[in-house]
Amino acid sequence: EAQVTQNPRYLITVTGKKLTVTCSQNMNHEYMSWYRQDPGLGLRQIYYSMNVEVTDKGDVPEGYKVSRKEKRNFPLILESPSPNQTSLYFCASALQGAGELFFGEGSRLTVL
Amino acid sequence: QQQVKQSPQSLIVQKGGISIINCAYENTAFDYFPWYQQFPGKGPALLIAIRPDVSEKKEGRFTISFNKSAKQFSLHIMDSQPGDSATYFCAATPDGGTSYGKLTFGQGTILTVHP
Repeated sequence: EAQVTQNPRYLITVTGKKLTVTCSQNMNHEYMSWYRQDPGLGLRQIYYSMNVEVTDKGDVPEGYKVSRKEKRNFPLILESPSPNQTSLYFCASALQGAGELFFGEGSRLTVL
Repeated sequence: QQQVKQSPQSLIVQKGGISIINCAYENTAFDYFPWYQQFPGKGPALLIAIRPDVSEKKEGRFTISFNKSAKQFSLHIMDSQPGDSATYFCAATPDGGTSYGKLTFGQGTILTVHP
């Protein structure tokens, strides 16, 4: 089954404790991206990657890091989480172009 | 800076009614406009999309209307059903959707269809 898999789905952590949200897709997509969803703000892009070893900032990259060492994986790293990073995070991939995205089921992160 | 503005924020419709969600954009480079549907606990999924060379696109009960001069586009859901209850996002991107870059989303509309 074609899918984008994110882990963990739910996480509660404390300020400053480094965490990684993993994302993996099995569709051989070149393009991958991370979004955060907040009420009233919609989906905002954090980082995106056009291919292995190629990443670029989205609209809200502050406080986040990403890496793309393999085509299928695109982890999101929060080096020192803060409460304003409490959000619902989505990983997405696309075969070509950012228009037709396939989304994971989301990771709800709470930073205390 | 919100480049795609979506309204209303929430919408309640009776079963069988028409649901209308509106979006406006500022960036004239946008030329691919998808709509995504998100059910609770799930990720968004592509519903329907339009390019500005047509003024309307219909897929089943879902229709996108596009007004290039006004820089506005809207989603119409005919004969709305309780199963249509979801959050809807409009979005826009340049280069016909082939751009390996930014897809800008609207703020989202929570649609509730009462039986």
